Amino acid sequence: EPEVTQTPSHQVTQMGQEVILRCVPISNHLYFYWYRQILGQKVEFLVSFYNNEISEKSEIFDDQFSVERPDGSNFTLKIRSTKLEDSAMYFCASSTGLSTNEKLFFGSGTQLSVL
Amino acid sequence: AQSVTQPDIHITVSEGASLELRCNYSYGATPYLFWYVQSPGQGLQLLLKYFSGDTLVQGIKGFEAEFKRSQSSFNLRKPSVHWSDAAEYFCAVGANQAGTALIFGKGTTLSVSS
Repeated sequence: EPEVTQTPSHQVTQMGQEVILRCVPISNHLYFYWYRQILGQKVEFLVSFYNNEISEKSEIFDDQFSVERPDGSNFTLKIRSTKLEDSAMYFCASSTGLSTNEKLFFGSGTQLSVL
Repeated sequence: AQSVTQPDIHITVSEGASLELRCNYSYGATPYLFWYVQSPGQGLQLLLKYFSGDTLVQGIKGFEAEFKRSQSSFNLRKPSVHWSDAAEYFCAVGANQAGTALIFGKGTTLSVSS
């Protein structure tokens, strides 16, 4: 069974530092997503990415965030200058499309702790 | 190993009929259990969660789930399904109440027929 892989599983960083969260989506998938879940809150959509550009983003995804697919296999989320409130579990996901029958495959998440 | 199993890949229910989506888990400690829903093109939405207390948990959109420790199950139910309930439903088990270390099931696709 193919799966979405996220690394690292847990990352600790100092406030103000840049972090890059990495994801390897399923190889034949075309749509890529990042979600996050802040402690005690629901999982929140951040951004979707298709054809090397952002197709949709939420209000959370401000100028401090960026995504990239640098080499055709990895899909990264960069937080330029982390804040305490960026501490959350970040989930990557991928799918083959956006239609009703498409299934979103999630990675197991990266727990980001900003100190 | 920790795991979540949703045995039904796809379920079709008539509008107005009752619904039960199955979820079984394998977890070494007392589990925190969650149900999420994903509508087409949308992100996940938390329907409900269980971490202690009353084993029957009420969620949003008229959903409820019952935790049965003896059966390692956390099935999702709704007495009367609406067409807008057609979506993908994910059960998940976590290490804490906030669900920050979730193990997701593979999901059940719910179709609602008129």
